[in-house]
Amino acid sequence: KAGVTQTPRYLIKTRGQQVTLSCSPISGHRSVSWYQQTPGQGLQFLFEYFSETQRNKGNFPGRFSGRQFSNSRSEMNVSTLELGDSALYLCASSSLQGAGKTQYFGPGTRLLVL
Amino acid sequence: SQQGEEDPQALSIQEGENATMNCSYKTSINNLQWYRQNSGRGLVHLILIRSNEREKHSGRLRVTLDTSKKSSSLLITASRAADTASYFCATAINTGTASKLTFGTGTRLQVTL
Repeated sequence: KAGVTQTPRYLIKTRGQQVTLSCSPISGHRSVSWYQQTPGQGLQFLFEYFSETQRNKGNFPGRFSGRQFSNSRSEMNVSTLELGDSALYLCASSSLQGAGKTQYFGPGTRLLVL
Repeated sequence: SQQGEEDPQALSIQEGENATMNCSYKTSINNLQWYRQNSGRGLVHLILIRSNEREKHSGRLRVTLDTSKKSSSLLITASRAADTASYFCATAINTGTASKLTFGTGTRLQVTL
């Protein structure tokens, strides 16, 4: 099976703009989670979607949002970008819902906000 | 906030030596997982140990879990240059239907020839 794919892989934006990142999970996986990784804060959970519904959300401002489509593909959107949003954004998929199932990560989207 | 703290933050060893890294966490967990990350890329799942297990092996990896001390260790035996990476522990807490992983701060492992 093909792994988790994320597009784009690299992105440069300026403050105030918005950005949309895309994630295609492993075929058959219905759960998609998003994480932000920065040198200062490490890996932090953003949100999880299962069957097009947000099941869990991390401690991020409302500028961070996401959605999941009927084919399990997911997008996350960040509006009004700030310098601190520069990070590696990782998407992970798993076959089941529920705590602690093995998650399979994509290569990430590296976002630079200038 | 981080659930887990890892120790050491960085580790440098020679090829063939064993590498041990430790993870401590704060709350009761369902399971603990270890992931590897190469140079800021995606994470690769290594091993999962459930809260009722004490030790688990996978190839050159050995993981232990002590729930009374809220700690885990990852041992990589006979290390290779290709093991150079950052290693993260991640804890899963039972929140019903959620699949949230809380990651530790990571250990950067450097294996030299």
